[in-house]
Amino acid sequence: GAVVSQHPSWVICKSGTSVKIECRSLDFQATTMFWYRQFPKQSLMLMATSNEGSKATYEQGVEKDKFLINHASLTLSTLTVTSAHPEDSSFYICSATQRPETQYFGPGTRLLVL
Amino acid sequence: DAKTTQPPSMDCAEGRAANLPCNHSTISGNEYVYWYRQIHSQGPQYIIHGLKNNETNEMASLIITEDRKSSTLILPHATLRDTAVYYCIVRVASTDKLIFGTGTRLQVFP
Repeated sequence: GAVVSQHPSWVICKSGTSVKIECRSLDFQATTMFWYRQFPKQSLMLMATSNEGSKATYEQGVEKDKFLINHASLTLSTLTVTSAHPEDSSFYICSATQRPETQYFGPGTRLLVL
Repeated sequence: DAKTTQPPSMDCAEGRAANLPCNHSTISGNEYVYWYRQIHSQGPQYIIHGLKNNETNEMASLIITEDRKSSTLILPHATLRDTAVYYCIVRVASTDKLIFGTGTRLQVFP
């Protein structure tokens, strides 16, 4: 199956700093990528849909100024958590769609904000 | 968006078939049923998907009822490595979005 990578796999940062997470589709081009967040013992929650060359579409309740998404190429999308706070600590997962229909997920990035 | 209902947990003996049910009674005619699984602290793994017909691949079989209101994922010979949370998802027809429910936690025991 298609391979999606994320970097870093885990990150610890101080409160108030910004953190960038990269999502790459390694062996296919993805016009659409998705970003999810998962808190412990909970399911994945879709945060936003990222389309190459255009602005991301955010789900209701997700702050677009807090979670900046850039999809600069067909193989790379980035999520920047700005001014991170402890409540932003979570497991962030991206996925990429390989046409025609299937989403493939990255391994996730664990963020801990101190 | 069509919602899905799954049992919160199931057990299965190693080597036996694991049959995971899913109800999606409000599914629309052009919406697909997808199954993913998530092993602890990893990203979800694609298993299989279908529209109307039963599907089979190297990982599993998907049985969809004729009225499409429910489906069953079958792992023919469960192993300990199949222990995971299994998500049944109906894909939104007009977009590529996947909305995850709470899933079924499958525990395979020796």
